[in-house]
Amino acid sequence: EAGVTQFPSHSVIEKGQTVTLRCDPISGHDNLYWYRRVMGKEIKFLLHFVKESKQDESGMPNNRFLAERTGGTYSTLKVQPAELEDSGVYFCASSQEQGAFYGYTFGSGTRLTVV
Amino acid sequence: RKEVEQDPGPFNVPEGATVAFNCTYSNSASQSFFWYRQDCRKEPKLLMSVYSSGNEDGRFTAQLNRASQYISLLIRDSKLSDSATYLCVVNIHDYGNNRLAFGKGNQVVVIP
Repeated sequence: EAGVTQFPSHSVIEKGQTVTLRCDPISGHDNLYWYRRVMGKEIKFLLHFVKESKQDESGMPNNRFLAERTGGTYSTLKVQPAELEDSGVYFCASSQEQGAFYGYTFGSGTRLTVV
Repeated sequence: RKEVEQDPGPFNVPEGATVAFNCTYSNSASQSFFWYRQDCRKEPKLLMSVYSSGNEDGRFTAQLNRASQYISLLIRDSKLSDSATYLCVVNIHDYGNNRLAFGKGNQVVVIP
């Protein structure tokens, strides 16, 4: 079984540019999550999709971040325009059940650097 | 108050020794608890779930104290390959939604 796949693995962009991160969950997993770790801080929740619907987007930092999951398969997270404080590692995770009773499987992350 | 508090360390541990660390969590309604392992520049990987009765997986033992709201992890007979950051993770249930709350992690360095 293929794991959670994220693309790109690294991205360096200038402040004010746009970047789109992609996540392909494990096949058949309805639940998809985005998390982020900025330097020196703990990993923090961004949002949760159930199929193509946003179940919880309470962790999205501001309206420069837009997440989509068309068709309930892969998801994209777009940052527009990027700011310096957006630098960090963005992790995607997926699970079959919603309750996280067995933990999630994370992708290897996208390391975003805004200069 | 942070949802999950961990003392980041580092914890320098001689090979073969036992190391223990813990974390505290603030949400008394939390029901699911985990330890994740994160290697440098890699993704977090589930090490083990933590159950109320305590549980063991080989050289790793996890304990949960609901009254004091803390979770512990003990590693026996440390190996060089145990060097990593160990993340305390709690499932937060808010208004019908579930999300994971992470501590900063305990950095463990096993020394030959």
